[in-house]
Amino acid sequence: EVQLVESGGGLVQPGGSLRLSCAASGFSFNSYWMTWVRRAPGKGLEWVANIKEDGSEKYHVDSVRGRFTISRDNAKNSLYLQMNSLRAEDTAVYYCAREGYSGYDTLPQVDYWGQGTLVTVSS
Amino acid sequence: DVVLTQSPLSLPVTLGQPASISCRSSQSLVYSDGNTYLNWLQQRPGQSPRRLIYKVSNRDSGVPDRFSGSGSGTDFTLKISRVEAEDVGVYYCMQGTHWPQVTFGGGTKVEIK
Repeated sequence: EVQLVESGGGLVQPGGSLRLSCAASGFSFNSYWMTWVRRAPGKGLEWVANIKEDGSEKYHVDSVRGRFTISRDNAKNSLYLQMNSLRAEDTAVYYCAREGYSGYDTLPQVDYWGQGTLVTVSS
Repeated sequence: DVVLTQSPLSLPVTLGQPASISCRSSQSLVYSDGNTYLNWLQQRPGQSPRRLIYKVSNRDSGVPDRFSGSGSGTDFTLKISRVEAEDVGVYYCMQGTHWPQVTFGGGTKVEIK
């Protein structure tokens, strides 16, 4: 069974930093793209960043580029999101998710989600 | 960015009755490989999102057959043939065609009348 368990969320002041972790199990972690998606209070889902199976390619949404960094440790089956220079608008539940292929797909698609971890940026 | 517009925002439904959710894209979701990467997610209260449908009309494993997806190009629909109590939650469409910049619809809240 695919399991994704996030941790590291909490209350942080504006300008502060936080590191989110996601522990993966139940599948070959090093064979999948992984991604972070967030949902701000009262708003919809927003893709934040994703990373290739071996960590050689990373993409970040414009609003976090230069402040957030996605990374992974395949030896530990873990995904991370380092968040620096946090702003009030970064307040959200952050979900770790797997991107998988179906059949002869060219593009990976989010197929499994974790439970999420809440990040609150406030003074 | 590709904008996905869902309607309605809220959908009160009587148990056992059908429900339909629309998702319209600001750009075509047909990819160069011929696939259309339009997916539907369900988020029950207090739970994480769960994918129901991928590539327009394919049900994920374990998804009841009362859920079905259809559409093409820029217009897509999720239908629930007979709503059950466990279907309460928020439903999102999601496009993966313009990966890695995937985007989501604003969500439709399904509730029981």
